[in-house]
Amino acid sequence: AQSVTQLDSHVSVSEGTPVLLRCNYSSSYSPSLFWYVQHPNKGLQLLLKYTSAATLVKGINGFEAEFKKSETSFHLTKPSAHMSDAAEYFCVVSDPGGSSASKIIFGSGTRLSIRP
Amino acid sequence: DGGITQSPKYLFRKEGQNVTLSCEQNLNHDAMYWYRQDPGQGLRLIYYSQIVNDFQKGDIAEGYSVSREKKESFPLTVTSAQKNPTAFYLCASSIGTSGGPMWETQYFGPGTRLLVL
Repeated sequence: AQSVTQLDSHVSVSEGTPVLLRCNYSSSYSPSLFWYVQHPNKGLQLLLKYTSAATLVKGINGFEAEFKKSETSFHLTKPSAHMSDAAEYFCVVSDPGGSSASKIIFGSGTRLSIRP
Repeated sequence: DGGITQSPKYLFRKEGQNVTLSCEQNLNHDAMYWYRQDPGQGLRLIYYSQIVNDFQKGDIAEGYSVSREKKESFPLTVTSAQKNPTAFYLCASSIGTSGGPMWETQYFGPGTRLLVL
C-alpha cells in the first residue's frame, strides 16, 4: 500500500534563508509525486510534479524537488525564502498500479512560516 | 479566464438538513473530484468522476452524494447521514486521459467552508 509522510507539521525560517520541506513516501510501483501549495482559505496550486523523467524537478516560484528512490524521498527546497512563501504545502503520491483516483494520497501538510 | 468556481464560500447546515455545494469548471476537463480537508490533515477523496454520467466513491463517501449530468458541473450533496460535516470542501478537475488520473495535475477551486449550526 502506498503512503506519504511529511516529516514536519510546521517549519519556520527567516526571509532570505533556505527552505527544506521533507516528504517520504512508500509505493509498490514507480509513483508520480507532486507538491501543492495552499494559501489560507484558498484552493491548492501545483508547485511541481515528478513522473519518471528527470529526478530533479523545477517548479514555480523558485521551488524544486529531488526524487531519491533509494531514500524514498521527495523533499521540497528553495534557496531563499520570501514572505509570500508562507503557506501550507502538501506532498502527494499517486500509484499508477491502478486506474482509481483513490490511489492518490495527500500528506498531512507542512505549514511554512517566514520570519522577517 | 478558465478555472474552477465553487459556491458558496461559506455554508451553514442545520441538524437533519441536506445541503449542496456547487462546483463548475470551464477548463473542458473530463475528470472532477471532491475532497474534504480537516485541520491538520491532508485532503481525503470523497467522490470522483472521470466522465459525464459516471462517478466513483473515494475513501470517505458515506453521507455524501454527487451527480455528473454535465461535463462542467459536479455538485456535492452533504446529507443528514453525514454526522460530522464541518470541514473545508475542495473541488478539483484534471484533463482526464485513458492513462488515469494518477499522472495528471489537478486544478483546484477556492473551496467551500461548511459549518453546522
